[in-house]
Amino acid sequence: EVQLVESGGGLIQWGGSLRLSCAASGFTVSSSHLAWVRQAPGRGLEWVSTLYNAGATFYTDSVRDRFTISRDNSKNTLYLQMNSLRADDTAVYYCARATISWFGDADGFDVWGQGTGVTVSP
Amino acid sequence: QSVLAQPPSVSGAPGQTVTISCAGSGSNIGAGFDVHWYQQFPGAAPKLLIYRNNNRPSGVPDRFSGSKSGTSASLAITGLRAEDEAHYYCQSRDSGLSGSLFGGGTKVTV
Repeated sequence: EVQLVESGGGLIQWGGSLRLSCAASGFTVSSSHLAWVRQAPGRGLEWVSTLYNAGATFYTDSVRDRFTISRDNSKNTLYLQMNSLRADDTAVYYCARATISWFGDADGFDVWGQGTGVTVSP
Repeated sequence: QSVLAQPPSVSGAPGQTVTISCAGSGSNIGAGFDVHWYQQFPGAAPKLLIYRNNNRPSGVPDRFSGSKSGTSASLAITGLRAEDEAHYYCQSRDSGLSGSLFGGGTKVTV
């Protein structure tokens, strides 16, 4: 069964760091485009970052230079290292597998994890 | 204010048809990027409902359909059921951005 399971969320102080993990099963992370999408309380979905199968990384402006997306192929796991956390980073963080467009870009998201909550407190 | 504009809410009686719009621009939907739709229940992860404008993943009822024209896309739910009460999000890409765009979401009330 194709599955994504996130972990690593929790309560963290403003300015702190946290690393989220996303364990994949049923497919290999190294051959997939994978992304992090977050949802602040009572708000909509927001794309955060994507890691392409070839290694290219992309970030939304608000997290660039603070967050780092990576993967460990041997553990078939995706990560999101979050530094200098701010109150507006408070959200449920989902990892998702992206389908690949005709041009090889990350397209829609066909598999989602259950999410892990991050709360940044003053 | 999302780049992809969706109505905050739509409602309909059981059995009726509701349509959710997703209005973009020439740099995203109008540029030829595909539109995808997700269904999300409270406390749950989003689920892919429609991919590449008008395709349903296996297991999605044919009551759900998608379309795209010009700079906009739409999701239609026919034969509305109480179990369709959820939030629905459109998603696409933009030529000026490196990642994905989501609409603000629409709450469907039956």
